[in-house]
Formats: sequence, C-alpha cells, structure tokens
Amino acid sequence: DGGITQSPKYLFRKEGQNVTLSCEQNLNHDAMYWYRQDPGQGLRLIYYSQIVNDFQKGDIAEGYSVSREKKESFPLTVTSAQKNPTAFYLCASSALGTSIYNSPLHFGNGTRLTVT
Amino acid sequence: AQSVTQLDSHVSVSEGTPVLLRCNYSSSYSPSLFWYVQHPNKGLQLLLKYTSAATLVKGINGFEAEFKKSETSFHLTKPSAHMSDAAEYFCVVSDMDAGNMLTFGGGTRLMVKP
Repeated sequence: DGGITQSPKYLFRKEGQNVTLSCEQNLNHDAMYWYRQDPGQGLRLIYYSQIVNDFQKGDIAEGYSVSREKKESFPLTVTSAQKNPTAFYLCASSALGTSIYNSPLHFGNGTRLTVT
Repeated sequence: AQSVTQLDSHVSVSEGTPVLLRCNYSSSYSPSLFWYVQHPNKGLQLLLKYTSAATLVKGINGFEAEFKKSETSFHLTKPSAHMSDAAEYFCVVSDMDAGNMLTFGGGTRLMVKP
C-alpha cells in the first residue's frame, strides 16, 4: 500500500534540545511538505521541497530545518531556536505535473511533539 | 493574495439531518478549491476538489460542494449525516498567483448527535 509514514506518533523532549521528525513516502511523489497544526489555526506551511536537494521556506520556517537527500524522505528538525515547538506536525506529498496547483496533498498521520 | 474563511468553527447536527459547512475564498485567478477531512490524531484526507470543470463537485462519503464564483463560496454539503462524519473539515484554496501553494482555512469541527 502506498502512503506516507511519519514517526514517531508521539515525541517528548526537554526544552533546548533539537529533535528530528521522520517522514517517508512510497508514492513516488516529487513534492513534499511540512505543516504545523495548532488548535483553531488550521495548517501552516513550514518548509516544502519540489525536488531532491532543494527546498524552500514556508510561512513559519524560523526555528526549523529540513533536508531532502532522497526523493522518499523529508525529515524535519525542530531546533532549540523554535519558541513554541509543542504542536502537531503533518508531512504531506503531492505529484507534480502540468497542473501542479491542483494536485491534491496526501498526508501522513502526524507526529505530536510536546516540549517541556 | 489568496485567503479562505470557514464561517463556523463548530457545527452540530443530529444523525440523519443535512450537513452544511461554509467556506468563502479570495483569489486573484481561477482557483482550485479543496475540502479535506481530519479525524482525531490523524492526517488529512481529500474529500473533493474543484479545478474549473463542473461547478458541482461530488466527493467521497456522500459529500458534495458547489463552486459559486459570484459569491466566492465553496460550501460543503451532505444530505444525511452519519456518526462517522464527526471530524474536522478544512477548506483549502490554491491559485497560480500564490505560486501554487495552498492556503488552509481555520477548520470546522462537525459534531453529530445520535
């Protein structure tokens, strides 16, 4: 079954520690995305990548970093510089073609990060 | 700039009654519009999408939405609610002026009473 796998489902960290969230897809999608979800705020884009070894900042990239060394993988690191890291993090992917603005996103089941 | 507003943060219906979740958008060009559903602690799943074809779009699980350009609306409806429809629903807009990136509404939580 094709899909997106995020791990772990729950993650707990102490303040000041960096933490990396995993996202793997076997859909052969070119584009991958990281979103942050907070209650009542919808989803906000952190970073996205449309091709291996290239990525762009989204609306709230400060305090986060990513890499895209393989097409299948797009890990997100939440650094100690992120002021409010506790949130639900969602990874997504989409196929890119001639009509990239209407390609739907496929989402993983998310990682809930709690920093204390 | 594109934007999307979901007019109700919470909607409560009884099982078997109609569902209406309201969405208004702002877009510079002909937009693509989507509705996604999210069950607790899960990712989002695509319900339906509009991409400049038929204005009445049918999706999964009996949901449909109508694109009304004159009203800049894309409301989601279902004739008869099921308990399993209880979830959070997101309206999403995308257009080429925004570099093909998606803008999410704040979400509407649908509660279904037995």
